Amino acid sequence: GENVEQHPSTLSVQEGDSAVIKCTYSDSASNYFPWYKQELGKRPQLIIDIRSNVGEKKDQRIAVTLNKTAKHFSLHITETQPEDSAVYFCAASKDSSASKIIFGSGTRLSIRP
Amino acid sequence: DAGVIQSPRHEVTEMGQEVTLRCKPISGHNSLFWYRQTMMRGLELLIYFNNNVPIDDSGMPEDRFSAKMPNASFSTLKIQPSEPRDSAVYFCASSLGLSIYEQYFGPGTRLTVT
Repeated sequence: GENVEQHPSTLSVQEGDSAVIKCTYSDSASNYFPWYKQELGKRPQLIIDIRSNVGEKKDQRIAVTLNKTAKHFSLHITETQPEDSAVYFCAASKDSSASKIIFGSGTRLSIRP
Repeated sequence: DAGVIQSPRHEVTEMGQEVTLRCKPISGHNSLFWYRQTMMRGLELLIYFNNNVPIDDSGMPEDRFSAKMPNASFSTLKIQPSEPRDSAVYFCASSLGLSIYEQYFGPGTRLTVT
């Protein structure tokens, strides 16, 4: 079955700098890659997703890149702000009636003032 | 829409007691997921339903855990008997489909078993 690995598990960056979180997946048939953000004490919420027909997607300070050949995808956050501090989860799934989404283990991002 | 609704928000119970967690998905969503989150094990998918039918329960830790979805607007996760290691935050999530749609998480139920 699908396996998703996420690195690093913790990340600390200076406010204003960029943060990059990387994930790899094992099932080459996976074609949907969402990223969820979970603030302390709150529920996970989708912040951006990418499908396998594109290599990059951007939404303001957040961007995701996908390399299907290498089976890895990354989340990039530019000009980090204190409100970016949270746990970020990557995930992968494929368009199948029985497929389930597989989450990575999470990255705890801390923004230093 | 009010989003995914979970109850109770907090539950404290003694070891050996039965615990029932409840979830109301977003109207119109046909998939429902139960997750458990702990510091040690992260976010674990326990079971998921599609059109009220359980599709995969391989994440259910043991027979003490059971889940039902009697209709499109209600699901329960039951632990009987509960144990201290069951202490965690349990999330319910719903989506328009199983795999390639955004999941909307509920606020979670924080379960403490003493």
